[in-house]
Amino acid sequence: QLQLQESGPGLVKPSETLSLTCSVSGGSISRSSYYWGWIRQPPGKGLEWIGSIYYSGSTYYNPSLKSRVTISVDTSKNQFSLKLSSVTAADTAVYYCASYDSSGSNFDYWGQGTLVTVSS
Amino acid sequence: DIQMTQSPSSVSASVGDRVTITCRASQGISSWLAWYQQKPGNAPKLLIYAASSLQSGVPSRFSGSGSGTDFTLTISSLQPEDFATYYCQQANSFLTFGPGTKVDIK
Repeated sequence: QLQLQESGPGLVKPSETLSLTCSVSGGSISRSSYYWGWIRQPPGKGLEWIGSIYYSGSTYYNPSLKSRVTISVDTSKNQFSLKLSSVTAADTAVYYCASYDSSGSNFDYWGQGTLVTVSS
Repeated sequence: DIQMTQSPSSVSASVGDRVTITCRASQGISSWLAWYQQKPGNAPKLLIYAASSLQSGVPSRFSGSGSGTDFTLTISSLQPEDFATYYCQQANSFLTFGPGTKVDIK
């Protein structure tokens, strides 16, 4: 049973870079056919996929965020990370990490989520 | 980009009611559709994948149908623990979620 846990600062200043890490336990991040992704949810609003990564390093980003997003993987630590640059108040959200099998691209394992507030 | 819409945006129902939620894609997505349930303060939970396949451990009162652009999630007999917000998600081209449907108590 995979377990995912987000970590990182809960407060980021406008124009700075948001950085989060997802630690994976209960299985290897290098497992074949599994992808690792980030999803966010502004307070009281819906879900938005940010991007995904395969253990090999192949990345897929939401076109609306692509210019500001970098997702990376560290197989030695069984972790993957999100960087979102030039943040504004509109980036305030609960950020979830999650995983899915390439055969379906449905997020079947989720972290608990972490609230990141963008404010000076 | 593929856009997803859901209707209704909210529905009030009673325990035992049959509830149907519709999800529509802006272009054909075959059966690349999933449904999630989210309760306040919790991460979403996968209910249905590939449009009609029930995720392991999910009660059989949940069912999904559809292909192409039109999909439905049906709860055959609403239970107290089913009051939540439901999201559809397409996986045909990148990943996009619908805006959600809130099911609350009538």
